[in-house]
Amino acid sequence: QKEVEQNSGPLSVPEGAIASLNCTYSDRGSQSFFWYRQYSGKSPELIMFIYSNGDKEDGRFTAQLNKASQYVSLLIRDSQPSDSATYLCAVNQSWGGSEKLVFGKGTKLTVNP
Amino acid sequence: EPEVTQTPSHQVTQMGQEVILRCVPISNHLYFYWYRQILGQKVEFLVSFYNNEISEKSEIFDDQFSVERPDGSNFTLKIRSTKLEDSAMYFCASSVSPTWSRITKNIQYFGAGTRLSVL
Repeated sequence: QKEVEQNSGPLSVPEGAIASLNCTYSDRGSQSFFWYRQYSGKSPELIMFIYSNGDKEDGRFTAQLNKASQYVSLLIRDSQPSDSATYLCAVNQSWGGSEKLVFGKGTKLTVNP
Repeated sequence: EPEVTQTPSHQVTQMGQEVILRCVPISNHLYFYWYRQILGQKVEFLVSFYNNEISEKSEIFDDQFSVERPDGSNFTLKIRSTKLEDSAMYFCASSVSPTWSRITKNIQYFGAGTRLSVL
């Protein structure tokens, strides 16, 4: 069973701080990695995707990928109370022409004003 | 901005009844999915659908489940005889194309979900 592991938290940071969220995955063949944000009772909302080793920045968000270590992370700079949500790491598994996302359990982030 | 649309937002049903959950994927997308999320648990893959047939289904997607694309816009999930444990949020997602097309990296966009409550 291919797994995606995340620290479930909760992770609590003060407003303006950097929040660091981590994810490991077991399928070495995975090529595409995604971070979704999910507010309570809502659907997953895509915030970042990354395919290549290294960093990818988009505004206050930076995704980091290390395929050798099978590790993906998300940094949120200048955290805001509106960033308080559960962050889902998802890994695309592609096999025999089929595709699916495998999700971690999510890390609940609370940003305190 | 184009979005995936799901109806109804909340469905309440009695155990043993059939339900149909409806989705309208983003119009130029070709690859469709259903996921579910039981309260407090992770999002789980149910089924993927491409070129008018199922590409992959999970262990959860047993004979009680079926999917259909009855016309050019709708994508439905049917549960034939609901059980208490089917109570969950059901999310539809779509993507432009699968990874092997090399056009995109299977970026999936999710609908707002249908909350299914089986009593």
